[in-house]
Amino acid sequence: AAGVIQSPRHLIKEKRETATLKCYPIPRHDTVYWYQQGPGQDPQFLISFYEKMQSDKGSIPDRFSAQQFSDYHSELNMSSLELGDSALYFCASSKRTGFGGIQYFGAGTRLSVL
Amino acid sequence: GESVGLHLPTLSVQEGDNSIINCAYSNSASDYFIWYKQESGKGPQFIIDIRSNMDKRQGQRVTVLLNKTVKHLSLQIAATQPGDSAVYFCAESLPEGGYQKVTFGTGTKLQVIP
Repeated sequence: AAGVIQSPRHLIKEKRETATLKCYPIPRHDTVYWYQQGPGQDPQFLISFYEKMQSDKGSIPDRFSAQQFSDYHSELNMSSLELGDSALYFCASSKRTGFGGIQYFGAGTRLSVL
Repeated sequence: GESVGLHLPTLSVQEGDNSIINCAYSNSASDYFIWYKQESGKGPQFIIDIRSNMDKRQGQRVTVLLNKTVKHLSLQIAATQPGDSAVYFCAESLPEGGYQKVTFGTGTKLQVIP
């Protein structure tokens, strides 16, 4: 079965640079979520999109932005990178149902800011 | 709400024993709960879910118990194996504006001793 695909898997950037992370949800899933996970920490919710519209916003810095495109893939754009942005970034997708909605996660992008 | 755990609680279990991982959720309006397993360097993976109108659900080697009175969730793993070593997260889902908002709890690291 197709899973959530994230690219790139690893990314190394320097301070003040920009980065773009991509996420391709499971086919026919209509909701995409972005999470940031630091070492030894829980996944922290950043932002989500339902049918290409922002549906919820968490602890996403103003330096970050995201969007979902017509083919349902999503991109997380990160500007003016800081050392503290080094983390694992996960994308998850789900099919909105009337109840629950299990999120399926990608393998993540490991961002290292030097 | 969100939680950040710099030092994950750790549970050490002998191979073959049963494991019990506990989780306290925050919102009594949450109507759906999910357990995820996250292996090192990978994204969280769905294990089992339970709706709020149930108090127990069984899967293969796993059982989830829900106590709404004290807002407590537990994951029981029977005959724990080395492959069960991972961080386990519970997540609560509650309806918010026609959308299910999912919040992760603090993870528990399970170490299986061979």
